Amino acid sequence: GAGVSQSPSNKVTEKGKDVELRCDPISGHTALYWYRQRLGQGLEFLIYFQGNSAPDKSGLPSDRFSAERTGESVSTLTIQRTQQEDSAVYLCASSSVPGDTQYFGPGTRLTVL
Amino acid sequence: GENVEQHPSTLSVQEGDSAVIKCTYSDSASNYFPWYKQELGKGPQLIIDIRSNVGEKKDQRIAVTLNKTAKHFSLHITETQPEDSAVYFCAATILSGTYKYIFGTGTRLKVLA
Repeated sequence: GAGVSQSPSNKVTEKGKDVELRCDPISGHTALYWYRQRLGQGLEFLIYFQGNSAPDKSGLPSDRFSAERTGESVSTLTIQRTQQEDSAVYLCASSSVPGDTQYFGPGTRLTVL
Repeated sequence: GENVEQHPSTLSVQEGDSAVIKCTYSDSASNYFPWYKQELGKGPQLIIDIRSNVGEKKDQRIAVTLNKTAKHFSLHITETQPEDSAVYFCAATILSGTYKYIFGTGTRLKVLA
């Protein structure tokens, strides 16, 4: 079946603009994660959604970052007033249930000029 | 919180030789340790994982060992092939709560033909 998909694959924006990144998890997967991967570095946890429970937002770096998820389907990560340090690859992962293997999408490469 | 250190950052081996990547973690409560392979322009893919109740796990040319006392775990790739060239990430998590992964900083493996 289809894996995790993300769009756009690349996004170039100007400093100060808002951006919205989309993640479509594997169908039926209840848990969804967002991670950030800066150039040459490991993945940093941003936020976690599980069903209708309150999301774990403990990894969001500032209040410019927010994310939503509609039920157990698509999720969007929004970055307001983008800064150059927001440039990174943003990866989404889903798992069938919490604790099961996390399957990653191909990521969105964000470049803030 | 949990911290994962990964070494080396880069590793070059001759085709057919073995490669070893090591990770240490700080939180003794961590009980699940996946390894991911990331090829250029793609999201990470799980290649092997180990739980804290097991000391070693093997899957064809890939093996992972875990030393809970020392809080370190290692990835072993035998008979390396050019297609093994990629960035490898270790991660640690506690299988409860958020299940967020804490990743190492990655190892770029180059297999020289």
